[in-house]
Amino acid sequence: EAQVTQNPRYLITVTGKKLTVTCSQNMNHEYMSWYRQDPGLGLRQIYYSMNVEVTDKGDVPEGYKVSRKEKRNFPLILESPSPNQTSLYFCASSDTFTGGTDYGYTFGSGTRLTVV
Amino acid sequence: ILNVEQSPQSLHVQEGDSTNFTCSFPSSNFYALHWYRWETAKSPEALFVMTLNGDEKKKGRISATLNTKEGYSYLYIKGSQPEDSATYLCAFRNSGNTPLVFGKGTRLSVIA
Repeated sequence: EAQVTQNPRYLITVTGKKLTVTCSQNMNHEYMSWYRQDPGLGLRQIYYSMNVEVTDKGDVPEGYKVSRKEKRNFPLILESPSPNQTSLYFCASSDTFTGGTDYGYTFGSGTRLTVV
Repeated sequence: ILNVEQSPQSLHVQEGDSTNFTCSFPSSNFYALHWYRWETAKSPEALFVMTLNGDEKKKGRISATLNTKEGYSYLYIKGSQPEDSATYLCAFRNSGNTPLVFGKGTRLSVIA
């Protein structure tokens, strides 16, 4: 089944304790992205990657890191989480969208992170 | 930062009613407009990807239109059912090498 797999679904952690949220897709998509969803703010992009070893900042990158060492995986790293990073996180992937074509995103099931 | 506006923020309709909502985006430099359906406790699912001015797309009782010159798209739901209750997101891209920018969504509640 074509899917984007995020883990964990739920995570409660303490301020300053490094954590990684994993994201993996099995559709050979080149484009992957991380979003956070906060009440009243909509989906805001954290980082995105157009291909392996290519990553770019989105609208709210502060406090996050990503890596794209292989096509299928795009982990989100919080080196020193703070309470303002408590949020619902989504990973998404798609085929590349150049040359006049465009594709819908496939989203992961979400990770609800609480930092206390 | 590009501004993508959706209206209304929320909407309550009776089962069987038809409804529509709006997505507004910058009318200069258009590449694509997406609609997603997001049910509570699930992940957003793509409904339509629209790339041409005047595009009309349909999936069952749901359809969408696109006007790139004036910068808006409408999503229509005919004969709303309780299972249509969800948040409907639109997202806009202004070129082939920039990511999607999402609106805040329209939350639809269909009352049986």
